[in-house]
Amino acid sequence: DGGITQSPKYLFRKEGQNVTLSCEQNLNHDAMYWYRQDPGQGLRLIYYSQIVNDFQKGDIAEGYSVSREKKESFPLTVTSAQKNPTAFYLCASSTLRTPLAKNIQYFGAGTRLSVL
Amino acid sequence: AQKITQTQPGMFVQEKEAVTLDCTYDTSDPSYGLFWYKQPSSGEMIFLIYQGSYDQQNATEGRYSLNFQKARKSANLVISASQLGDSAMYFCAMREEDFNKFYFGSGTKLNVKP
Repeated sequence: DGGITQSPKYLFRKEGQNVTLSCEQNLNHDAMYWYRQDPGQGLRLIYYSQIVNDFQKGDIAEGYSVSREKKESFPLTVTSAQKNPTAFYLCASSTLRTPLAKNIQYFGAGTRLSVL
Repeated sequence: AQKITQTQPGMFVQEKEAVTLDCTYDTSDPSYGLFWYKQPSSGEMIFLIYQGSYDQQNATEGRYSLNFQKARKSANLVISASQLGDSAMYFCAMREEDFNKFYFGSGTKLNVKP
């Protein structure tokens, strides 16, 4: 079945530690995205990537880093510089056909990150 | 300015009745797409329905329909014959042609009462 797999489902981070959230898709989508969701809030864009080896900062990129070495994979690292990392993290992907406005984003099941 | 506005933080509806969730948007781009997502308590965002700015007819997908009023810049989601499983957060989103990213609203929490 085609889809987006995020792992782990739950993650705990100690002070000063970097942690990496995995996102893999087998939909052959060009674009991938990372969002952060705080309780009772909407989604905020962290990073996005349109093509392998290229990515752009979203609205709240500070304290996060990403890589896009393969089309299928877009891992997110929450660094120790992110002082308030406790949140729900969602990965998404979409095609990039024209018109761009028509491309639907599909989401993974998310990772809940907590600080110990 | 907010790109997507959802003014109903929470709503209740009786099972089997219809409910309308409001969404207004702001864009100067003539080409854009509007989307609705459902987020149950498990957290996954489930795509429900899409409406393109140039589409002449309102989108429908099963029990979901989108009441698209372009001049008013509104894209309300209508859920007919509500079911208990419809209880969830619902997010309205927009994608513009010039920018490769989505804008999300703050969501509406729908509770379906038996």
